[in-house]
Amino acid sequence: DAGVTQSPTHLIKTRGQHVTLRCSPISGHKSVSWYQQVLGQGPQFIFQYYEKEERGRGNFPDRFSARQFPNYSSELNVNALLLGDSALYLCASSSGTPDLYGYTFGSGTRLTVV
Amino acid sequence: GENVEQHPSTLSVQEGDSAVIKCTYSDSASNYFPWYKQELGKGPQLIIDIRSNVGEKKDQRIAVTLNKTAKHFSLHITETQPEDSAVYFCAAGNQAGTALIFGKGTTLSVSS
Repeated sequence: DAGVTQSPTHLIKTRGQHVTLRCSPISGHKSVSWYQQVLGQGPQFIFQYYEKEERGRGNFPDRFSARQFPNYSSELNVNALLLGDSALYLCASSSGTPDLYGYTFGSGTRLTVV
Repeated sequence: GENVEQHPSTLSVQEGDSAVIKCTYSDSASNYFPWYKQELGKGPQLIIDIRSNVGEKKDQRIAVTLNKTAKHFSLHITETQPEDSAVYFCAAGNQAGTALIFGKGTTLSVSS
């Protein structure tokens, strides 16, 4: 069985640019969440989507947005990139809410902003 | 909002020894407490979890205990092996059930 797949695995962008990160959840999972992990820290919650609707949003600026498609895959978009956006972006899928069903994480997209 | 504190930040043990990592949380409404292991270049992998209606859970060499009154939970690894070396994160479910709040991680090193 395929796990959570994320693309690309690595990305280098310039300050001010825009980036789109992609995630395919485990087959049958309807919930996708996005987390940002800065080096040396724990993952920090950005968004949760369930059945294509936003169900939760963390403390991130409006430059961050996301959506979930009918096939339950998801995109995370970040506009006007800042140096501080450099991080590992993790996608997690779940068959329901994380407090009941837990998460499976992908390997992440390493974003470097220069 | 929920806050999760994790200690220690680094832990070094000899192969065969036990390792204990402790976490405290702030939101008494939290009811789900997973532990993740993250190896270099990989995403976090769920190793064990516990819910608030249970005080202890074991899975082979790994166990988790939960004290809801004191709002703390711990990970216990017995008979450690070099392949247990990784960063371990505790987390707590937020009140809305939409997110996990993670601790800052513990780097476990097991030397043979």
